Amino acid sequence: TQLLEQSPQFLSIQEGENLTVYCNSSSVFSSLQWYRQEPGEGPVLLVTVVTGGEVKKLKRLTFQFGDARKDSSLHITAAQPGDTGLYLCAGVDGGTSYGKLTFGQGTILTVHP
Amino acid sequence: GAGVSQSPSNKVTEKGKDVELRCDPISGHTALYWYRQSLGQGLEFLIYFQGNSAPDKSGLPSDRFSAERTGGSVSTLTIQRTQQEDSAVYLCASSSFRRGGGNEQFFGPGTRLTVL
Repeated sequence: TQLLEQSPQFLSIQEGENLTVYCNSSSVFSSLQWYRQEPGEGPVLLVTVVTGGEVKKLKRLTFQFGDARKDSSLHITAAQPGDTGLYLCAGVDGGTSYGKLTFGQGTILTVHP
Repeated sequence: GAGVSQSPSNKVTEKGKDVELRCDPISGHTALYWYRQSLGQGLEFLIYFQGNSAPDKSGLPSDRFSAERTGGSVSTLTIQRTQQEDSAVYLCASSSFRRGGGNEQFFGPGTRLTVL
């Protein structure tokens, strides 16, 4: 069974601050996805990182996949209240025919104006 | 086009009763998934459908849980003799199929189940 440890579980910061969320595993994933979920809605995919060492940027969000494809991070620069939400990482298991997702526990981010 | 829809959005039931949760995937998506999410937590995989078959049902927590999919479209998750620990949000997702995965899964808004 693959496990994905996500930290921190809660993050409360002021507008304009930077933050980093981490996902770590002892397992290798074929790719890793980051989702954002708002109350009453399902998660929405932000990005998929595939190659070890890959860095992807989405406006103020920077996603990195570890060299060994076991860990990933999400860095937000100059956070805004609109960034508030639940952030989830999910590892894609390349050993299954359909790419089974294993989710981290999530990080609840609150950005105060 | 329409996204993934789920019904009901909320369900309150008494311990011991059976419940049925419905998922309508995006038209043309052959892959369908059910997950369970406890308050503010990550998603726990329950079952995966490819067409009408369920090649991976390893996440179903007990034999009280079952699911089916008909016509390669609508899916129903049934929980028999509900227990309080079954209280959670049940999410459905669909995707097009690609061997090895990695395709984007599109999620519905979920059904919030409360067992009293």
